Amino acid sequence: GDSVTQMEGPVTLSEEAFLTINCTYTATGYPSLFWYVQYPGEGLQLLLKATKADDKGSNKGFEATYRKETTSFHLEKGSVQVSDSAVYFCALSDPRAGTALIFGKGTTLSVSS
Amino acid sequence: EAGVAQSPRYKIIEKRQSVAFWCNPISGHATLYWYQQILGQGPKLLIQFQNNGVVDDSQLPKDRFSAERLKGVDSTLKIQPAKLEDSAVYLCASSLSAGEHTGELFFGEGSRLTVL
Repeated sequence: GDSVTQMEGPVTLSEEAFLTINCTYTATGYPSLFWYVQYPGEGLQLLLKATKADDKGSNKGFEATYRKETTSFHLEKGSVQVSDSAVYFCALSDPRAGTALIFGKGTTLSVSS
Repeated sequence: EAGVAQSPRYKIIEKRQSVAFWCNPISGHATLYWYQQILGQGPKLLIQFQNNGVVDDSQLPKDRFSAERLKGVDSTLKIQPAKLEDSAVYLCASSLSAGEHTGELFFGEGSRLTVL
């Protein structure tokens, strides 16, 4: 079945460092890809998404490009802030099939000043 | 616009007891989901409803878990009897109907269950 694999955490960075969180997927059909974020004490919220190959999703300085050839959707940010400390989840779904989101295990990011 | 509402936020019970969680989705969202998130893991789908019909309950442990969405709006998830391994956060989410939505789910804050 469909699945998502993301890099193990925790990831610990200093403020203004470059961030990459790797995500690869296995899917049949034509999935959409997502990054969700869970800030401490809050619910899951959508960070960005891409619905087809070569699309780039972006939000709050974060970016991820849907790479069909490498089945990847890596999350990047050029300069992280302390406020970016959270758990990041890569996920996929197939909207045309009406399937629910399938999540990776999550990667904890901790940014220090 | 009001978000997804869940209650209770926290619940502590003894093993073999029962517990129920309630969810009210965003108004107009036809699809409702219950996920289980065990500490250190990603959310796992338990059940998906489209209006008041079940779309997918393949990962719901039906010997102890049940869920209903009788009027196609709010939903209840029940566990009876609870086991230690049921300790988790139970997340409710909603989305537009399958023919319209983009795959984005809107999540509630979750109900944290501790089974002792």
